[in-house]
Amino acid sequence: SQTIHQWPATLVQPVGSPLSLECTVEGTSNPNLYWYRQAAGRGLQLLFYSVGIGQISSEVPQNLSASRPQDRQFILSSKKLLLSDSGFYLCAWSVRVRDEQYFGPGTRLTVT
Amino acid sequence: AQKVTQAQTEISVVEKEDVTLDCVYETRDTTYYLFWYKQPPSGELVFLIRRNSFDEQNEISGRYSWNFQKSTSSFNFTITASQVVDSAVYFCALSEARRGADGLTFGKGTHLIIQP
Repeated sequence: SQTIHQWPATLVQPVGSPLSLECTVEGTSNPNLYWYRQAAGRGLQLLFYSVGIGQISSEVPQNLSASRPQDRQFILSSKKLLLSDSGFYLCAWSVRVRDEQYFGPGTRLTVT
Repeated sequence: AQKVTQAQTEISVVEKEDVTLDCVYETRDTTYYLFWYKQPPSGELVFLIRRNSFDEQNEISGRYSWNFQKSTSSFNFTITASQVVDSAVYFCALSEARRGADGLTFGKGTHLIIQP
């Protein structure tokens, strides 16, 4: 069966520090991968998606970036965090476009 | 543009009552997909259902049922005989077929509280 992992589970970082969040999927090949952010107010916002290694599409301009160095690994990064980057970050995968997406446990990021 | 509206921010009912969560969507596409997810206090989103725009047949899964009506652009979710374990935030989401491999557009969610 397929599983999706995210780490760390929680993170407290000062403003201006770098960020690296990792997501890995097991039990499937060539998944579509997604990063979402859930800020206060509970809405989920799509940040990045990837259909293959090295292929990244950005939905919202921001100081975050994403990379996919391996088929089942998706990384969210920032060189300098802002207070507004605080939130709950969720990684998701799907088999095909328009399929249901399966979410990881999330990373709760607090920027101080 | 696409948009998903969940007008009910929070609903509180007593256990064993039936409850309906509303979802209204906007899209100019004729082909699209609708989803419901559950987010318990742990935070992880749990997939509940996926419907395509050509399938208006209502679906029932145990105590859960979904009513899809294209005429009113609604995709409502009903829990029958609610239980405390149903307490969570529920999200409705939309995906359009004509775009690329983009993600889901979520509503803001409805916080459902089931009181014992």
